[in-house]
Amino acid sequence: QKEVEQDPGPLSVPEGAIVSLNCTYSNSAFQYFMWYRQYSRKGPELLMYTYSSGNKEDGRFTAQVDKSSKYISLFIRDSQPSDSATYLCALGKGGGADGLTFGKGTHLIIQP
Amino acid sequence: GAVVSQHPSRVICKSGTSVKIECRSLDFQATTMFWYRQFPKKSLMLMATSNEGSKATYEQGVEKDKFLINHASLTLSTLTVTSAHPEDSSFYICSARDLGTGDGYTFGSGTRLTVV
Repeated sequence: QKEVEQDPGPLSVPEGAIVSLNCTYSNSAFQYFMWYRQYSRKGPELLMYTYSSGNKEDGRFTAQVDKSSKYISLFIRDSQPSDSATYLCALGKGGGADGLTFGKGTHLIIQP
Repeated sequence: GAVVSQHPSRVICKSGTSVKIECRSLDFQATTMFWYRQFPKKSLMLMATSNEGSKATYEQGVEKDKFLINHASLTLSTLTVTSAHPEDSSFYICSARDLGTGDGYTFGSGTRLTVV
């Protein structure tokens, strides 16, 4: 079993829809949870960062963490064609001295 | 927010030569930087952790003599791919975290290496 599981998609939704992206993990040592957006041939861009169970909202994005179920989600409201990209969940164990473990990434397509 | 600059963005080299990739934290000091590798349509895999003033820590399966890491200052880490071969062709990305802000990890824009 991989440490982090993420459905690679592709996930195609119409413009304006609510998008739900998810990851599951198996190691309870993960304490930090991040979502990144990556466009083709570019470095990942940090979208959301959280370290506790519950919801965190930033504009159209909401990150949700359930440590008891080892399940994290990213919701995108009012999706736009410019949101089309690969979304990666990333999990960390330490306080800045450890690298991240990434999910495979979900390729999201927002249809105009 | 924190900015990480990576250079070059793209490089083509001949088999057997060495290539150096630079990673700089522009507005913060980073005692630790990370190097990742990404194959097409695959996720990022951590290669090594670069520590300022000390030896890098390599992940299992990563050849330390092939991928030389130097972290000479609090704002600069370099990755040198030595005696490059076509199988080393990949997308290399560095990352650092501004511990002063408590934000997540910031990534550079990546370097696409093609070995011919």
